Amino acid sequence: EDKVVQSPLSLVVHEGDTVTLNCSYEVTNFRSLLWYKQEKKAPTFLFMLTSSGIEKKSGRLSSILDKKELFSILNITATQTGDSAVYLCAVRGGGSSNTGKLIFGQGTTLQVKP
Amino acid sequence: GAVVSQHPSWVICKSGTSVKIECRSLDFQATTMFWYRQFPKQSLMLMATSNEGSKATYEQGVEKDKFLINHASLTLSTLTVTSAHPEDSSFYICSARNPGTAVSYEQYFGPGTRLTVT
Repeated sequence: EDKVVQSPLSLVVHEGDTVTLNCSYEVTNFRSLLWYKQEKKAPTFLFMLTSSGIEKKSGRLSSILDKKELFSILNITATQTGDSAVYLCAVRGGGSSNTGKLIFGQGTTLQVKP
Repeated sequence: GAVVSQHPSWVICKSGTSVKIECRSLDFQATTMFWYRQFPKQSLMLMATSNEGSKATYEQGVEKDKFLINHASLTLSTLTVTSAHPEDSSFYICSARNPGTAVSYEQYFGPGTRLTVT
């Protein structure tokens, strides 16, 4: 059965700290791994990773994928209170028709204190 | 970026009634839309994949007769929760694929619909 596991499930840090969120997966016919940020409503897209070892960066956020070890990390440096959210990892896997179906992890709830 | 809307944003209904939730892609044509359910403090669980003009594909454990999905046009999919019960109370989120983008499998999420069944 395909699954995506995130750790830790929750994290509390102070502003300025650096955090690393983990996502491991077991998915048939892996195609891509995506990170989303969810505040009060629907998830907003952060990154999509398809190739191993290539870091994606956007400001203070960065992410990298290891296809051999089947995991990805999301790093946030110099955290701010606005980074407080649930971070979701999702993997797009196989299926003959490749509909783009995503399998989500449980999410990591990050709280950044002032 | 692509915009997906949902209506209503929240709804309260009585047990036994049916509720329809709409998902619209506002500035692109979505050949595929997805319906997710999210319980408090849990992740998104895919309920079904909806392709325009054909029957939806439901995930294991999701009752297709209870959660009716219609994707009648390239910009609209609807989810009808029939004979709703309190345990159906949840946050329902749709997403849509925009095949016209460079990242053709990227999904754009709607803002979600909070359903409370009393």
